[in-house]
Amino acid sequence: DQQVKQNSPSLSVQEGRISILNCDYTNSMFDYFLWYKKYPAEGPTFLISISSIKDKNEDGRFTVFLNKSAKHLSLHIVPSQPGDSAVYFCAASLSGGGADGLTFGKGTHLIIQP
Amino acid sequence: NAGVTQTPKFQVLKTGQSMTLQCAQDMNHNSMYWYRQDPGMGLRLIYYSASEGTTDKGEVPNGYNVSRLNKREFSLRLESAAPSQTSVYFCASSEARVSPLHFGNGTRLTVT
Repeated sequence: DQQVKQNSPSLSVQEGRISILNCDYTNSMFDYFLWYKKYPAEGPTFLISISSIKDKNEDGRFTVFLNKSAKHLSLHIVPSQPGDSAVYFCAASLSGGGADGLTFGKGTHLIIQP
Repeated sequence: NAGVTQTPKFQVLKTGQSMTLQCAQDMNHNSMYWYRQDPGMGLRLIYYSASEGTTDKGEVPNGYNVSRLNKREFSLRLESAAPSQTSVYFCASSEARVSPLHFGNGTRLTVT
């Protein structure tokens, strides 16, 4: 049973527009969420995180929103740039757990079109 | 600053062969991890080492062994490779268990 779901395998967005990547989770014990970005032939890199005590975290063009009641989080990228084309993984961590307790989604391939 | 270095980058094995994937980090991190990524799947944890001298199983440990050689190095061994182990393997490290992961660039392994 998949506990972290990214239901859109791919997303195409025009350069300059907003990209919204979605992630749903089923385990209410998750309390820390992260987004990783991955380019081809490279390892994932950490992008942004959010704790369950917050509903929003912002870092430059990237904002993550958390809706605990809906068990849903989203990553907003504004404005989208060509270099944002990559696979984005959502990950969730159990309360008190560390990276050994991280559960990853399957990823969303974001394509920024010129 | 190299971060997390994995060797080799590519490897082809025949069923039943053995090999060791090497990983080293130069960030003085305490925790290290091995993940595998399969097409259409997220990253799945094989083994991890929360600190030097300790190792623990992750979600998919069968068919693998690990060694935390020292604080810098964490190796993954396949004793008898199987086609189901064809995958991209990522090593990662973190300063502490509840810190974001730093990944290497992966080893693409094919078992025929």
